[in-house]
Amino acid sequence: AQSVTQPDIHITVSEGASLELRCNYSYGATPYLFWYVQSPGQGLQLLLKYFSGDTLVQGIKGFEAEFKRSQSSFNLRKPSVHWSDAAEYFCAVGERGAGNMLTFGGGTRLMVKP
Amino acid sequence: DGGITQSPKYLFRKEGQNVTLSCEQNLNHDAMYWYRQDPGQGLRLIYYSQIVNDFQKGDIAEGYSVSREKKESFPLTVTSAQKNPTAFYLCASSSLGGSSLSGANVLTFGAGSRLTVL
Repeated sequence: AQSVTQPDIHITVSEGASLELRCNYSYGATPYLFWYVQSPGQGLQLLLKYFSGDTLVQGIKGFEAEFKRSQSSFNLRKPSVHWSDAAEYFCAVGERGAGNMLTFGGGTRLMVKP
Repeated sequence: DGGITQSPKYLFRKEGQNVTLSCEQNLNHDAMYWYRQDPGQGLRLIYYSQIVNDFQKGDIAEGYSVSREKKESFPLTVTSAQKNPTAFYLCASSSLGGSSLSGANVLTFGAGSRLTVL
């Protein structure tokens, strides 16, 4: 069975600093990989996805993520964090041919200091 | 605008009562899903449906029931058999088939419903 681990439950960064959120997955083949963001009390919004091809993917709001097969990782990065980026971030893995079922990590809550 | 509508946004229930959460989508998506969210546990799949009149259990289906009588609608009933129903419930939908470029495998989420058992 596939699984997703987000090692950091909480992260605090200063506004303008760079950000990296970690995501490790366990899956036998090349999975579909996703990052979603959730504002308090809201649903999830897709930031970016990896299906195949270029391992560095660009998303909305200036985010990017890199798929590293050798490390089973899909870390999310942003060069300069804005206060509006404060939210909870979820990494998810989907199994090819499994009808779009996603397995989610536990989430990382990002706080931004002024 | 196309999207997913969940209602109600907040719901309070007494122990022993069944409650039904509504989920409607106008995205013409074939598949619909219910997830439960608890702090620190991410999202866990309750039920999903890929076609009208058919649905499958997810990882935590016990104490829940669903129906899929219309493509646009996928209501979730939290029954009295669910021992710890207080949670945030998220409905999602996606297209099926096609290529990754067409948006297949990407889930679109509703804004969620928060259920509190008193």
